[in-house]
Amino acid sequence: GENVEQHPSTLSVQEGDSAVIKCTYSDSASNYFPWYKQELGKRPQLIIDIRSNVGEKKDQRIAVTLNKTAKHFSLHITETQPEDSAVYFCAASYFNKFYFGSGTKLNVKP
Amino acid sequence: DAGVIQSPRHEVTEMGQEVTLRCKPISGHNSLFWYRQTMMRGLELLIYFNNNVPIDDSGMPEDRFSAKMPNASFSTLKIQPSEPRDSAVYFCASSGVGGANYGYTFGSGTRLTVV
Repeated sequence: GENVEQHPSTLSVQEGDSAVIKCTYSDSASNYFPWYKQELGKRPQLIIDIRSNVGEKKDQRIAVTLNKTAKHFSLHITETQPEDSAVYFCAASYFNKFYFGSGTKLNVKP
Repeated sequence: DAGVIQSPRHEVTEMGQEVTLRCKPISGHNSLFWYRQTMMRGLELLIYFNNNVPIDDSGMPEDRFSAKMPNASFSTLKIQPSEPRDSAVYFCASSGVGGANYGYTFGSGTRLTVV
């Protein structure tokens, strides 16, 4: 099966700075890579996704990049705000199943 | 759309008791997934259904766990007998045509505590 590794496990940034979270996956057959944000005590919510035929996707302050050759993908958040504080999960879809990374706890300090 | 609906939100039970968790997927979604979330193991896929049929249950930890999807609008996850190590948040998620290659929508989860 697929193996997704996510780094860092915790990330603390000052408000207004950028944050980058990185994930690697093991199986080149994976072709869909979503990112989820989970606030404390709440459900994971999809914030952005990217497919294997695309190298980069942007949605306002959030962007995701994918390097298929290296089998890694990253989440970039610019101009961070306190409400960005949450746990972020990456995932890789392999044969119709999502394999999640272990999560990154992002703390944005005001 | 009310989203994916799970019940109960919280469940506290004694070791050895049977626990049943319930899920109503988004209308029109044909794939349903049960996940377990713990601090130690993160988000683990337990089982998923496509068009009400169990496709992959390799994540079900042991025979004490069972899941059913009798129709397109309802699924259950049962633990019998429950053990303290089953304590976790259990999420149900659904996705539309295309299965998991479109984003899941998660329910609010059931926080299970087995004492």
